[in-house]
Amino acid sequence: DVKVTQSSRYLVKRTGEKVFLECVQDMDHENMFWYRQDPGLGLRLIYFSYDVKMKEKGDIPEGYSVSREKKERFSLILESASTNQTSMYLCASSLKASGRNEQYFGPGTRLTVT
Amino acid sequence: DAKTTQPTSMDCAEGRAANLPCNHSTISGNEYVYWYRQIHSQGPQYIIHGLKNNETNEMASLIITEDRKSSTLILPHATLRDTAVYYCIVRVNQGGKLIFGQGTELSVKP
Repeated sequence: DVKVTQSSRYLVKRTGEKVFLECVQDMDHENMFWYRQDPGLGLRLIYFSYDVKMKEKGDIPEGYSVSREKKERFSLILESASTNQTSMYLCASSLKASGRNEQYFGPGTRLTVT
Repeated sequence: DAKTTQPTSMDCAEGRAANLPCNHSTISGNEYVYWYRQIHSQGPQYIIHGLKNNETNEMASLIITEDRKSSTLILPHATLRDTAVYYCIVRVNQGGKLIFGQGTELSVKP
């Protein structure tokens, strides 16, 4: 089974802190994605990556950056956390070669910024 | 990407078939219909996808109308564990990003 793991299920940080959210997948997938999910707004894409060291902005990249140094790991970075970044963060991965949109999601990290 | 329209919520009795509709009247010829679901406190889960023909797998069936302007996801024997938000997404097959709408909140009741 494909497994996508996220470093924490729950995280509480203070305003202004630098926050790292880690995502690891074990199926050698080329594509990796970071979404945030908020009530009434659904899932929104923050950043994605099609290969190591490659990254592309999604729909709401402001206030975030990402790092993909290894194929299996995709990190989301909040340089200076703010209260409006309180949200559920979901990581996903998919195979590039198949050309399909079958994404596998992690369990999510619920981040609270106080 | 074509826009999809789904009912906000639906109820279904346990053991009965759950039929979840999706309208995608602006779908183009190379766009597939994908279904995902999200159980509370979990990440979304892929269910099924199709282009023109009806599809079936171990989880569900997907019925696409001949004009491809709408589709229905069928859970043949709904259980309480099928209670979730179901998302219908229309997308070309390119392994790229997905755009999730609001989905349908399905409640399976005993």
